[in-house]
Amino acid sequence: GAGVSQSPSNKVTEKGKDVELRCDPISGHTALYWYRQSLGQGLEFLIYFQGNSAPDKSGLPSDRFSAERTGGSVSTLTIQRTQQEDSAVYLCASSLVRVDLNSPGMHSGNTIYFGEGSWLTVV
Amino acid sequence: GQQVMQIPQYQHVQEGEDFTTYCNSSTTLSNIQWYKQRPGGHPVFLIQLVKSGEVKKQKRLTFQFGEAKKNSSLHITATQTTDVGTYFCAGPAGGSYIPTFGRGTSLIVHP
Repeated sequence: GAGVSQSPSNKVTEKGKDVELRCDPISGHTALYWYRQSLGQGLEFLIYFQGNSAPDKSGLPSDRFSAERTGGSVSTLTIQRTQQEDSAVYLCASSLVRVDLNSPGMHSGNTIYFGEGSWLTVV
Repeated sequence: GQQVMQIPQYQHVQEGEDFTTYCNSSTTLSNIQWYKQRPGGHPVFLIQLVKSGEVKKQKRLTFQFGEAKKNSSLHITATQTTDVGTYFCAGPAGGSYIPTFGRGTSLIVHP
């Protein structure tokens, strides 16, 4: 597609249920990011994928959170046993850059394109 | 770890007034990016600065990157109601390749 696509756009779930959020990045983008944004807050980094591997999972808030990416494309963020504090907008983003882990720092042109987000409400 | 701080958190202006938001990093940044998020929307890329002391302009928006590559600013001249939104800076520190975002500055423009 032309942009980053996320689904569902809105999800209301009961506390304790599991949820899956899907992200379809821009075609050809090798890097994929998940961020979380609580109401009126900044962007909290969750996890980053380069291809299908996730070199950095340090942002995942707890072991209830997991993510995978298959075929270097679609990614799924799963939250198990949801809690009310998980309520937030979950933003997926993708970029073209191929990160060389031996050369730290972003390279010029690493523009990040965000999806519309999945608005999660845990009641 | 690297932290990116933005001030102010909120700014109310009358339409036509100028606006500036500042971004400061605890470590040197290889580059810095600015994003705008409209209310209810998602962040949209505005610009990237790479060179020390770099200044870029987009119409009424002026972006600066500090000489030490630890701070940046976004200045809007003669604000309009269409400028309403939250402006984020983002950048990686040396050793980090993940874009770290500031908390953002929310701009409210009163007509």
